[in-house]
Amino acid sequence: QQQVKQSPQSLIVQKGGISIINCAYENTAFDYFPWYQQFPGKGPALLIAIRPDVSEKKEGRFTISFNKSAKQFSLHIMDSQPGDSATYFCAPNNRGAQKLVFGQGTRLTINP
Amino acid sequence: KAGVTQTPRYLIKTRGQQVTLSCSPISGHRSVSWYQQTPGQGLQFLFEYFSETQRNKGNFPGRFSGRQFSNSRSEMNVSTLELGDSALYLCASSLGTGLTGELFFGEGSRLTVL
Repeated sequence: QQQVKQSPQSLIVQKGGISIINCAYENTAFDYFPWYQQFPGKGPALLIAIRPDVSEKKEGRFTISFNKSAKQFSLHIMDSQPGDSATYFCAPNNRGAQKLVFGQGTRLTINP
Repeated sequence: KAGVTQTPRYLIKTRGQQVTLSCSPISGHRSVSWYQQTPGQGLQFLFEYFSETQRNKGNFPGRFSGRQFSNSRSEMNVSTLELGDSALYLCASSLGTGLTGELFFGEGSRLTVL
């Protein structure tokens, strides 16, 4: 029940477009759904996260959508910019989790 | 406030040697977790320490070990290095008592095993 599937593995979007990354999970006990952003040579950094009591959370150009029944959540980047080019990871988890499982990562490239 | 500091940033070892990596968490954070990042396997959880006690452990062989000191600083050790241990090793600290909540990552220690 620890499996986490992230898609797509890589994504190329034109500047100004919408980038969408998906994360599907199996463990229904998960109650924290974060997206991390990692630039080359740096460690991951929390971008945005959601708790299951809401279905959507928006922070600037970044929106996280949560579908409890489908057991998946998505990251939407509006008006994508070249500076958004990075690798994105989902890492759903819950209080008391005994290990942390990350998605496989999505390498996002925004073409100018 | 200083971030998570990992040392050394880069190191090269040969097969059979051992290595020790260090992590200083953000001041006030008591939980430290470690991860291995490789192109093929992605980010994989190694273990988590809280108040000097290992609370959780991933699926890695016993050659991978760690510890946490009373000031929350943590070290991880890999003995009898294998070529496949070449990776970026990341540590993260958090304010909470477990793996949920925001993790603050360091920039990692890049280990190359020859």
